[in-house]
Amino acid sequence: AQTVTQSQPEMSVQEAETVTLSCTYDTSESDYYLFWYKQPPSRQMILVIRQEAYKQQNATENRFSVNFQKAAKSFSLKISDSQLGDAAMYFCAYRSALYGGSQGNLIFGKGTKLSVKP
Amino acid sequence: EAGVTQFPSHSVIEKGQTVTLRCDPISGHDNLYWYRRVMGKEIKFLLHFVKESKQDESGMPNNRFLAERTGGTYSTLKVQPAELEDSGVYFCASSQERWTGNTIYFGEGSWLTVV
Repeated sequence: AQTVTQSQPEMSVQEAETVTLSCTYDTSESDYYLFWYKQPPSRQMILVIRQEAYKQQNATENRFSVNFQKAAKSFSLKISDSQLGDAAMYFCAYRSALYGGSQGNLIFGKGTKLSVKP
Repeated sequence: EAGVTQFPSHSVIEKGQTVTLRCDPISGHDNLYWYRRVMGKEIKFLLHFVKESKQDESGMPNNRFLAERTGGTYSTLKVQPAELEDSGVYFCASSQERWTGNTIYFGEGSWLTVV
C-alpha cells in the first residue's frame, strides 16, 4: 500500500523569505500523480501544484515550485517570497494513475502547518 | 461558479445520536468523494461516487456510516449511532472526469464533535 509522510508538523517562515516543505512517499507503482494542497483556516482546501510522475521537469506555479526526486521518492514544495496569505495547512498527496479499483483515492500525509511572520 | 459546499460546517452531538452531513458538488461533476481527518491523523478516503453509483467504498470504517447520492447530485453521509472516535473533519470533494490526474475540488469540511 502507498504511504505519504510529511515529517514537519509545523514550519515557520519570515515574510518575503523562502521555505521548503518536505514530503516523501512509498509506492511500487511507476505511474502516479503527486499533489500539494493548501487549507487556510476555515477555508476550502485548494490545489497548489500537481506533478505527473512520468514528467522529469519539476512543476512550477508562480511562487510555488516542487523538487521531484522520483528515485528518492521525494516531493518537496518550495514557496518563494512568502506572503501572509500563505499561512495554512499544507498537505502532500499521492494518487495512482491506474484505472479501476481505488483510482479515486487520494492518499494524504498528515500535513504541515505553515506560519508566516510579518 | 459555486464550489463544493458542505453543511453543516460544525456539529456537536452526543454519543449515540445521529448526524447527517450534506455535500453539494460543483455542478456537472459526476465524481463525488468523501474523506475524513481525525485529529492528528492523515486525511483518509471514505468513498467515491460516480453519479449515483458507489464506485469505491473501501474506506468506510463500519456499517454505522451510510452514504447516499440519490439522483447523482448532492450526497449525504449519515453516522448512526455516532461514537466518540467519529469526531473529526469530513471533507467532500468532486471532479469532472474520472481521469486520475484531474483536479479534485474540496469543500471546507464539516467539523463533527461527538461528546
